[in-house]
Amino acid sequence: DTGVSQDPRHKITKRGQNVTFRCDPISEHNRLYWYRQTLGQGPEFLTYFQNEAQLEKSRLLSDRFSAERPKGSFSTLEIQRTEQGDSAMYLCASTPTGPYNEQFFGPGTRLTVL
Amino acid sequence: AQTVTQSQPEMSVQEAETVTLSCTYDTSESDYYLFWYKQPPSRQMILVIRQEAYKQQNATENRFSVNFQKAAKSFSLKISDSQLGDAAMYFCASRDDYKLSFGAGTTVTVRA
Repeated sequence: DTGVSQDPRHKITKRGQNVTFRCDPISEHNRLYWYRQTLGQGPEFLTYFQNEAQLEKSRLLSDRFSAERPKGSFSTLEIQRTEQGDSAMYLCASTPTGPYNEQFFGPGTRLTVL
Repeated sequence: AQTVTQSQPEMSVQEAETVTLSCTYDTSESDYYLFWYKQPPSRQMILVIRQEAYKQQNATENRFSVNFQKAAKSFSLKISDSQLGDAAMYFCASRDDYKLSFGAGTTVTVRA
């Protein structure tokens, strides 16, 4: 399977714990995006990488959130001191460089904070 | 910043019939791109159709077509000959240089 993969698919954690999600984009896609989707809503942009450079972070991404893409391939999204409001689906997408290329989405990681 | 509005939370259609989903957007960009994405239950989001704003011709992909009204900032999706597999949440999205802005979505149910 050469699509975008995300791990884990589901994560249940207790409030105050740290969690880390991983995204593996399609090979040779140099742009990688993280979105957050709450129940019944559309995805909201969180952050974006071109290769290993993080080029923009949404104001939705508080100081408890950090994302990395150390070698320009896979990316991780870490949430520290989770809160119940962090419960959501976290989606990763990738695309090759270009103004209108389709963003290919992964299956998402569903986070539940108890 | 771009905003996208989908005013229909739910739509129901009889199998083989046609349904139209509404979307309006607001952007200050002169060059932008519009998309419809489909998200089936518990499955990942896939692209249905895209439209480049500089193109006047409406995009068509098999049973899916759009009605792009640039002056009105309207971008509706028509699903013709609806099939049971079309049941999903549909999101309208706009793109500036790199990121997508999504509407709240429309849930489409298909009645057999």
